[in-house]
Amino acid sequence: DAGITQSPRYKITETGRQVTLMCHQTWSHSYMFWYRQDLGHGLRLIYYSAAADITDKGEVPDGYVVSRSKTENFPLTLESATRSQTSVYFCASSESRAGADEQYFGPGTRLTVT
Amino acid sequence: GQNIDQPTEMTATEGAIVQINCTYQTSGFNGLFWYQQHAGEAPTFLSYNVLDGLEEKGRFSSFLSRSKGYSYLLLKELQMKDSASYLCAVGSWGKLQFGAGTQVVVTP
Repeated sequence: DAGITQSPRYKITETGRQVTLMCHQTWSHSYMFWYRQDLGHGLRLIYYSAAADITDKGEVPDGYVVSRSKTENFPLTLESATRSQTSVYFCASSESRAGADEQYFGPGTRLTVT
Repeated sequence: GQNIDQPTEMTATEGAIVQINCTYQTSGFNGLFWYQQHAGEAPTFLSYNVLDGLEEKGRFSSFLSRSKGYSYLLLKELQMKDSASYLCAVGSWGKLQFGAGTQVVVTP
């Protein structure tokens, strides 16, 4: 039972480059989420998706793009990476709405933008 | 929007009890969650309260008062492995909003 996986686990990239972080879940959960975690800010929601082809902005969406063509995948793209996007990124999934069901988190991707 | 407050750090001795408080202000509310996060790892679910009162799960208990916008997580019989960050999160409008987390340090 693989659960929820993220790749890559670590990434170093340069300012201005495009980067895509992958997220894959094997539970067929409807809802998927992307968070970033920075010291002093806790987890902040970037984007979320209620189902395939349905996505919506979270608290900090600027500079990010998401897509969800298949239920099990939810990639996050940084179109032109900036140093302020250096962070740890977590993907999560849940069976139902976030306010009514626990979320399961992937292991995270540590991204450094130089 | 929401404002979620929890203490930054707490220290307690192995075998003791620690209570982590969380206060929140929200425009909508579906439930309150507690997660545990060890350093360098992903958050893992601990508990969920939607109605007022106490939920007990082994050594961990969580309490909610919706009218006061207040919750706490109680950790009993502390073990060294309980050293971690504890995240309070409010669910509303289909999303979770997290507090900054409380770092609990358990000393021998």
